[in-house]
Amino acid sequence: DAGVIQSPRHEVTEMGQEVTLRCKPISGHDYLFWYRQTMMRGLELLIYFNNNVPIDDSGMPEDRFSAKMPNASFSTLKIQPSEPRDSAVYFCASSSTGFGYTFGSGTRLTVV
Amino acid sequence: QQQVKQSPQSLIVQKGGISIINCAYENTAFDYFPWYQQFPGKGPALLIAIRPDVSEKKEGRFTISFNKSAKQFSLHIMDSQPGDSATYFCAANWGGSQGNLIFGKGTKLSVKP
Repeated sequence: DAGVIQSPRHEVTEMGQEVTLRCKPISGHDYLFWYRQTMMRGLELLIYFNNNVPIDDSGMPEDRFSAKMPNASFSTLKIQPSEPRDSAVYFCASSSTGFGYTFGSGTRLTVV
Repeated sequence: QQQVKQSPQSLIVQKGGISIINCAYENTAFDYFPWYQQFPGKGPALLIAIRPDVSEKKEGRFTISFNKSAKQFSLHIMDSQPGDSATYFCAANWGGSQGNLIFGKGTKLSVKP
């Protein structure tokens, strides 16, 4: 199994631009999570899906953030427009039980 | 109520020593307590986990000790090795939430040769 695959690994964009982060979960996993990691705030849950349906998006910071899961093998996290304070490492994770998570390697986003 | 408080923020241990990281929680509904290990440039990886019906779980050099009455749990790394140098996160969850894992702030462990 290739694990949870995230792309791109690094993204540098200018303030105001749209950013799309992508995630392919492990096949058969029915939970998918998007986390954001910063030095100040640690690991924050943004949103999670169960069977492609968003369950809890209370961690999404603003309307500028949106996430979709059109099918069991793909999810996107979009930021539009991006701001410098969005700079962080964004992780996608998946799970088959909702408890033991497998994380991807993350996308390091820098907004200048 | 939803927080998991982790200490220390950083830890330096000599090779062969014991590393101890502590976590405390408030929500008595939590019933699953995992520890994750994160190396630079990688995502966190599940290391070991415990449920509150046992007081200790050991896997190799890694042991979780759990004190339900004190609402505390800790990770002990015996015979610490330089390869254990990483950031460690405790976390907590409860069955009703089905997936909302709450993470501590992390402990950066450095094991000196």
